[in-house]
Order: sequence, then structure tokens, then C-alpha cells
Amino acid sequence: GQQLNQSPQSMFIQEGEDVSMNCTSSSIFNTWLWYKQDPGEGPVLLIALYKAGELTSNGRLTAQFGITRKDSFLNISASIPSDVGIYFCAGRDSGGSNYKLTFGKGTLLTVNP
Amino acid sequence: DADVTQTPRNRITKTGKRIMLECSQTKGHDRMYWYRQDPGLGLRLIYYSFDVKDINKGEISDGYSVSRQAQAKFSLSLESAIPNQTALYFCATSWGETQYFGPGTRLLVL
Repeated sequence: GQQLNQSPQSMFIQEGEDVSMNCTSSSIFNTWLWYKQDPGEGPVLLIALYKAGELTSNGRLTAQFGITRKDSFLNISASIPSDVGIYFCAGRDSGGSNYKLTFGKGTLLTVNP
Repeated sequence: DADVTQTPRNRITKTGKRIMLECSQTKGHDRMYWYRQDPGLGLRLIYYSFDVKDINKGEISDGYSVSRQAQAKFSLSLESAIPNQTALYFCATSWGETQYFGPGTRLLVL
């Protein structure tokens, strides 16, 4: 089936640092979504992207839909301890039907105060 | 109140037992999904349903079954649990492409 390559798998940073993670696909995607999962909770949507080249911000978070439609990145600026969690990218490919999403394997973020 | 609820939140069972995980939603969405999460493997789709009369297998449906009792309810069953079904299970709902997740059920099969 369709796979997304999400990197890095994990990050350990100091509070205040900026963070960047990305996802790539072998096929064209029509939609990219970024989720965050807090420990012991379900994933929560952070940002949704629907157009190639689209750049969207949500507070300290910024995500972009790649021009080639095969990648997306998420940046977090000035990280704080509550940014800790697992970040997932998800997407619907151009051949995908019925709104099924493919998920990346996640990036585990640890923020050292 | 949570829009997507899952019961139980934690469950320990023995190999060979039949168990059911339940999901309810108040979002009014037609589409519902069951995923399992394992460390390092992300979220993998088990089953999905686009309405009460529509049930579809996901990428890892073997050993699982589902029932869509109503628009708001979608349950996942393990007919004969085995240890490698130990995982975190999530229910999700959607209207468009954005999926909304429940809090998860942590299942341990001994």
C-alpha cells in the first residue's frame, strides 16, 4: 500500500530551539495533514493543507504543501516543554478514494527545559 | 464532553478470549475508522465504514471484525485474541478528509 516516509524518527532539543520535520511520498498527494499526539491521548489535528505550495501557520507552527505535491514539512518555532509528543503527517493521494488517509510513522519530539 | 469516546480505556485479556472495543461519536459523521498503533509503526488502518451499510477492510484486518450498529457507533472485535494484538487502538471519525480521533484503548493480551 501507499507509504509515507517521515523524518526524523525522533528529536531531542532544548527549549527555545526551532524544530523541523518532513514527510515524503512516492506518489502525488491531494491533501496533507499534520497531527500531534500527546502521551496517553489520541492524535489531534494541527494543520491541514489542500493546495500545492500552500503555507499555513497555527501559532508557532508552520506547515507547507510541497510544490511537487509529494512532500510536506512542519516547523515549530521557539519550542516549549508542552510541544513534547509524537507528530504525524497524513495524506490522501491523488488516486485515493473515499477519504482514506495514509499516515507517516511519526516523529517523537522531546524538549529539554 | 468528548466528541469521540472509546470504551474501555484499558483492557487486559488472555490469549484466546473474545473481546470487543467500542466507539461512540457525537459529531454526526458518517465515516468511522479503527486503527492500531504500535511503537515505531505509526497508525495502521484495520477497518473503516462510510455509513451503516458499508464496511471495508483496511491494511491489517486479519484477526479482527467490526460492527456498525448505528451512525454513531462502531465496534471492533477480536474473536480470539493473541499476544501480537497487544497495541493501542484508536477510533476515528470524519466528514471530509480530516479525521478526529478518540482517546484510545490500550489492550494487553497475555
